[in-house]
Amino acid sequence: DAGITQSPRHKVTETGTPVTLRCHQTENHRYMYWYRQDPGHGLRLIHYSYGVKDTDKGEVSDGYSVSRSKTEDFLLTLESATSSQTSVYFCAISESETSGETYEQYFGPGTRLTVT
Amino acid sequence: AQRVTQPEKLLSVFKGAPVELKCNYSYSGSPELFWYVQYSRQRLQLLLRHISRESIKGFTADLNKGETSFHLKKPFAQEEDSAMYYCALSDAGNMLTFGGGTRLMVKP
Repeated sequence: DAGITQSPRHKVTETGTPVTLRCHQTENHRYMYWYRQDPGHGLRLIHYSYGVKDTDKGEVSDGYSVSRSKTEDFLLTLESATSSQTSVYFCAISESETSGETYEQYFGPGTRLTVT
Repeated sequence: AQRVTQPEKLLSVFKGAPVELKCNYSYSGSPELFWYVQYSRQRLQLLLRHISRESIKGFTADLNKGETSFHLKKPFAQEEDSAMYYCALSDAGNMLTFGGGTRLMVKP
């Protein structure tokens, strides 16, 4: 497995509380991503980062914020968790694309978040 | 906007039977297509990409631009092929758009 870890691996929280998920890589890859995985929807991109302090929104970014202060860490924050944010969250990393060819994305083990 | 559709949420076959997991996409340019797989209790990982034209674990996939499809095929399914399969599309940048996934169950 590529050097990607996620913490925590499981979390149960109450509606309205803030939650922060951490993704840590040891590969020195430039790109980092946060996805959520829901039945029938596959993986949907929440936010991504293309460098330290460089982030952008994905398809389902409402209710989420991110930060990347170091190459190796990408944090996903739910400012006020809602039941609709119950999901499995995956972090992924990749190198920069060159010559128009997309690099493979490597995935972390996932974090199962339940909002009650 | 690009879109990837996997029409089957579940595909169940017997061991030794042929398998075809369907993937259709909509994209106006020249896409790169991928198949990712998630085995039970393992991470999502790349299975194959259309550019490489490889056969991985007996699986192949051909990009059909006329039908905008990238179906995954294997002539003889094995029990260890049971997993969740995701088709994904890239516009040659670093972003992937995933389909909804198909769970393949191979029965003994």
